[in-house]
Amino acid sequence: GQQVMQIPQYQHVQEGEDFTTYCNSSTTLSNIQWYKQRPGGHPVFLIQLVKSGEVKKQKRLTFQFGEAKKNSSLHITATQTTDVGTYFCAGLTSGTYKYIFGTGTRLKVLA
Amino acid sequence: ETGVTQTPRHLVMGMTNKKSLKCEQHLGHNAMYWYKQSAKKPLELMFVYNFKEQTENNSVPSRFSPECPNSSHLFLHLHTLQPEDSALYLCASSQGGASETQYFGPGTRLLVL
Repeated sequence: GQQVMQIPQYQHVQEGEDFTTYCNSSTTLSNIQWYKQRPGGHPVFLIQLVKSGEVKKQKRLTFQFGEAKKNSSLHITATQTTDVGTYFCAGLTSGTYKYIFGTGTRLKVLA
Repeated sequence: ETGVTQTPRHLVMGMTNKKSLKCEQHLGHNAMYWYKQSAKKPLELMFVYNFKEQTENNSVPSRFSPECPNSSHLFLHLHTLQPEDSALYLCASSQGGASETQYFGPGTRLLVL
């Protein structure tokens, strides 16, 4: 079945360093969403990417959808302690009605 | 955020108990979802309801029984669960179909003894 993998599984960074998580799907996606889950919290929607090669920015966060629409990345510039949490991608395959969530990347920021 | 609420927030039950989880969305959405989140596993979609009709049952064991009486409420009835069913159960809603943004509730942390 369809799988959505994320790497790395865990990442510890010093505050101020950059961070990137990568999402890879075994099948071509219609669109991809990114969510953030704080420790003890629930997933909160961040952004949706639809077009091949699309790049979107939210302040220090940059999201990219691959040209082949099978991978995506989230890059955080100059991390802050408030960035701590698990970042999930969720991919939607054409013709299906459900998102497949990635395995998540847990980010820890050391002050 | 109070758009999607879930009760109870925590639940401990024995394997012979019957309990229900409740989800309510105040966003006027038409689709609701149940997810299971276990440690070190990705979010697993369990059920999807669109306009009160179940459109997805992701091979979930029959000891989990969903109910959607209207577009705002979603229940998950539990009976004869196993310890491996212990997890965070998340409810979500979206305006329309699968391509819409999903809004998650705070979840119910379930422990099966």
